[in-house]
Amino acid sequence: NAGVTQTPKFRILKIGQSMTLQCAQDMNHNYMYWYRQDPGMGLKLIYYSVGAGITDKGEVPNGYNVSRSTTEDFPLRLELAAPSQTSVYFCASSYLSGPRELFFGSGTQLSVL
Amino acid sequence: LAKTTQPISMDSYEGQEVNITCSHNNIATNDYITWYQQFPSQGPRFIIQGYKTKVTNEVASLFIPADRKSSTLSLPRVSLSDTAVYYCLVGVVNTGNQFYFGTGTSLTVIP
Repeated sequence: NAGVTQTPKFRILKIGQSMTLQCAQDMNHNYMYWYRQDPGMGLKLIYYSVGAGITDKGEVPNGYNVSRSTTEDFPLRLELAAPSQTSVYFCASSYLSGPRELFFGSGTQLSVL
Repeated sequence: LAKTTQPISMDSYEGQEVNITCSHNNIATNDYITWYQQFPSQGPRFIIQGYKTKVTNEVASLFIPADRKSSTLSLPRVSLSDTAVYYCLVGVVNTGNQFYFGTGTSLTVIP
């Protein structure tokens, strides 16, 4: 099993550009999450999904969009990149709801210049 | 959602036992306490979870007093590889999906 796979690992964007961060899991988990982590800080929940076709906002959803067309994939879209979105982005999945069973990807380091 | 408070950082020598305490005064009846470990440039990794009293696994122990307003993660005989950030989360295990990581405790193990 690959677990949770995130691509790309690194990306530099110019202000105003758009991009999609990819996240895929092969564990047949229903629950998937996107977090961002700013330097020296904890993780903040951006969006989450409880199953295909169902998504909801977390703490910091502004500037982001998500979709969940399949159980495996949960892409995160940045439409108009801003310097404030410079961060490390982590995707996670879980079989059970709640905080126990979170499996994280290795992260995407994004810089917006 | 119950807010958690942890020390920002801790130092320990190799071979010592390390105890990291988390305060969660507003914990609800159905909330569980979960701890994660994060190494630099990696996503967090689940360590241990408990509801009350004591839980032990191959990695750590979790002590929860009767009032459940705090919890202590205990790491026995730490090594340099235990240098990481440790997060305490409080939330309901089987309902709800918005659970939040605080700033965590940065543990540095010194040779």
